[in-house]
Amino acid sequence: DTAVSQTPKYLVTQMGNDKSIKCEQNLGHDTMYWYKQDSKKFLKIMFSYNNKELIINETVPNRFSPKSPDKAHLNLHINSLELGDSAVYFCASSLARGRGYNEQFFGPGTRLTVL
Amino acid sequence: DQQVKQNSPSLSVQEGRISILNCDYTNSMFDYFLWYKKYPAEGPTFLISISSIKDKNEDGRFTVFLNKSAKHLSLHIVPSQPGDSAVYFCAARNSGGSNYKLTFGKGTLLTVNP
Repeated sequence: DTAVSQTPKYLVTQMGNDKSIKCEQNLGHDTMYWYKQDSKKFLKIMFSYNNKELIINETVPNRFSPKSPDKAHLNLHINSLELGDSAVYFCASSLARGRGYNEQFFGPGTRLTVL
Repeated sequence: DQQVKQNSPSLSVQEGRISILNCDYTNSMFDYFLWYKKYPAEGPTFLISISSIKDKNEDGRFTVFLNKSAKHLSLHIVPSQPGDSAVYFCAARNSGGSNYKLTFGKGTLLTVNP
């Protein structure tokens, strides 16, 4: 019973294409995140949504657009893909407050390769 | 600017011995620290955490120590087991901040040899 799931797990595409990555959590959390792990292995926050409202946007190019249709889903759409977008993208979720709110639960990652 | 630093990219220990993974931070506003463990092709999984009001937190074989004055924390695993072989990420946050951002270190690859 997967807590945070992402699809697809692997994505290979050409430069200039538009692609989406989907994320769903069944933990009842109200905050969701997208992280990027680049070739240098740093895990960096990109976006965070709380109750479908954008609360973190870490200077990400506007080719990246997150969309949260409801609290359990946070999708990432990327327009005009570039070579530098190749990375592993992780979705995560957490509670906004209360016991354990600092702990974020991660999905398995989506490895994006732009050719 | 790296606000969370894990200066050892890798560490190798023998099974049964102690593993000590280190983490330094520069942002004095950080008041909550977490360790995550990551296996290849999987997402990071939460391991243990510590609030800045404490200097030690223990959970089974895992203990995290925090030295606020030195802005340093460490994760001790004892005894180490081959299944502990993974990348360990240190993360920190400012709980009083208006968002829920975690800042991660670059990770340390731990290899436990049988």
